[in-house]
Amino acid sequence: AQSVTQLGSHVSVSEGALVLLRCNYSSSVPPYLFWYVQYPNQGLQLLLKYTTGATLVKGINGFEAEFKKSETSFHLTKPSAHMSDAAEYFCAVSKRSNDYKLSFGAGTTVTVRA
Amino acid sequence: EPEVTQTPSHQVTQMGQEVILRCVPISNHLYFYWYRQILGQKVEFLVSFYNNEISEKSEIFDDQFSVERPDGSNFTLKIRSTKLEDSAMYFCASTRDVNQETQYFGPGTRLLVL
Repeated sequence: AQSVTQLGSHVSVSEGALVLLRCNYSSSVPPYLFWYVQYPNQGLQLLLKYTTGATLVKGINGFEAEFKKSETSFHLTKPSAHMSDAAEYFCAVSKRSNDYKLSFGAGTTVTVRA
Repeated sequence: EPEVTQTPSHQVTQMGQEVILRCVPISNHLYFYWYRQILGQKVEFLVSFYNNEISEKSEIFDDQFSVERPDGSNFTLKIRSTKLEDSAMYFCASTRDVNQETQYFGPGTRLLVL
């Protein structure tokens, strides 16, 4: 069975500061890894994903994440926070198989201080 | 850009009533999913659907739930007799084919059972 742990349900950062959201997964085999963002009253939007190849992946809005197999982690970062980054962020995993159902973490709410 | 749409955006119903949530996946997608997010909790997988049958379902997806693709475009989730605990945001998602791991989510239907 797969599971995802996101450390910290709430993160508050100053505008221009580093954003770091932590995600660890548990899986018998390396899964596919995703970060989704949910803005208030909206659906889930894919930020980035890791499937194969380069372990540092870049996504939309200046976000990137690094897959570290040895640490079973897929932390999300953005060098400089913007007010528009205020949202809830979900880490998710799926199996590398025909069934790509997603298992989500509990989410991290990001607030950005002016 | 093609997107997944869902109707209605909000639905209020009385306990014991039947509800049907509707989704229009991206037109060339073949795999369909329903997820739900109870307020304050993580997004949970309900069911996946391919080739006009259920591929996998979670323990949440009991006999009160059913899914259907009644025509070439709609994908529906029916709850036969709603309970208070069915109150949640329900998300539809789709993927193109077996080799496409990225799921595209709709904006969700917020269901409130009174």
